[in-house]
Amino acid sequence: GQQLNQSPQSMFIQEGEDVSMNCTSSSIFNTWLWYKQDPGEGPVLLIALYKAGELTSNGRLTAQFGITRKDSFLNISASIPSDVGIYFCAGPPRFQGAQKLVFGQGTRLTINP
Amino acid sequence: GAGVSQSPSNKVTEKGKDVELRCDPISGHTALYWYRQSLGQGLEFLIYFQGNSAPDKSGLPSDRFSAERTGGSVSTLTIQRTQQEDSAVYLCASSLDKGQETQYFGPGTRLLVL
Repeated sequence: GQQLNQSPQSMFIQEGEDVSMNCTSSSIFNTWLWYKQDPGEGPVLLIALYKAGELTSNGRLTAQFGITRKDSFLNISASIPSDVGIYFCAGPPRFQGAQKLVFGQGTRLTINP
Repeated sequence: GAGVSQSPSNKVTEKGKDVELRCDPISGHTALYWYRQSLGQGLEFLIYFQGNSAPDKSGLPSDRFSAERTGGSVSTLTIQRTQQEDSAVYLCASSLDKGQETQYFGPGTRLLVL
């Protein structure tokens, strides 16, 4: 089935640094989603991308839908302690509607004070 | 309610016992999803409901897993004869309708099978 590969798997950064993570697929996705999961909680949707080449921001977060439709990246600028958590890319498998989402393995972000 | 709720939040059981996990979706959401998240992994799709019917059960890992939804609202995921490999976080999500990518997740049930 369709799989999403995220990198890096983990990041250790200093507060205030910018963060970049990406997600790739061997097949085309028509929608890319970025979720954040805090410890003990379910994932929360951060940004949704619906068109190839689309660049969308949500505060300090910026995400782009790759023009090949096989990749997406998420950037976080000027990281703060509450950015700690696990970030997942996700998307609905093509031709199967949005009845289920395929998730990447996650990028665990740790911030050193 | 204001968000998706799940119960229990934590469950410890012995191998071979049956467990039931409950999900209360956001009021008015017709679509409901179950996912499983193993330690350090992404989410794995289990089953999807539209109303009370389950058009897609493709993710259920074995016939020990079943789910039902009643009244277009509450859903129960049942695992029979639990095995240690069933230990994971079971997450429920709901969306306004099928085809809605914006799925809202509950906090999950952490299942530990000893």
